[in-house]
Amino acid sequence: NAGVTQTPKFQVLKTGQSMTLQCAQDMNHEYMSWYRQDPGMGLRLIHYSVGAGITDQGEVPNGYNVSRSTTEDFPLRLLSAAPSQTSVYFCASSYSISLTEAFFGQGTRLTVV
Amino acid sequence: DQQVKQNSPSLSVQEGRISILNCDYTNSMFDYFLWYKKYPAEGPTFLISISSIKDKNEDGRFTVFLNKSAKHLSLHIVPSQPGDSAVYFCASTGTYKYIFGTGTRLKVLA
Repeated sequence: NAGVTQTPKFQVLKTGQSMTLQCAQDMNHEYMSWYRQDPGMGLRLIHYSVGAGITDQGEVPNGYNVSRSTTEDFPLRLLSAAPSQTSVYFCASSYSISLTEAFFGQGTRLTVV
Repeated sequence: DQQVKQNSPSLSVQEGRISILNCDYTNSMFDYFLWYKKYPAEGPTFLISISSIKDKNEDGRFTVFLNKSAKHLSLHIVPSQPGDSAVYFCASTGTYKYIFGTGTRLKVLA
């Protein structure tokens, strides 16, 4: 049982490049989400999904796309990277949003130059 | 608008003493609260939670207190240990999302 697995752990992109951050969980959780962590800002929700085929925007969705074709996977796509997207990204999953805790991956540190 | 607030960015405590981390929230509809601990270069890990039907929950050295009238919760760590040095986030569950505070960096001095 690996929990929540994120790849890659580190990435450097040039402005304008696109890439996909991968997230997979093996706990059969319905709810998955992406957060970014910036100094002094805490964890801010980018996108979330309450089940396969269902996604919605969080607090800071601009510049990011998501899809949820399977229960296990929830990739985050950066369409055209900008320096403002330099951050640490965390994927999280939970059995449900109600009265349960979320499990986090180890994070992806992204630098956009 | 920050719905979950941690007003102390940092806290230093001597080993063996009590650490008290505070959190305020604005939405009286929030009914479930969580604390997470985060070490550098790792993801946050769940520590303890409390439902709004309770005012206290204990797990070993960790106790969370909830004061609904004040919209305030606190995490007590007794006794504090050097391994507790980390960033602590409080969170609540809103509609389809977890809402996190900005974190408090705890340093336990040996």
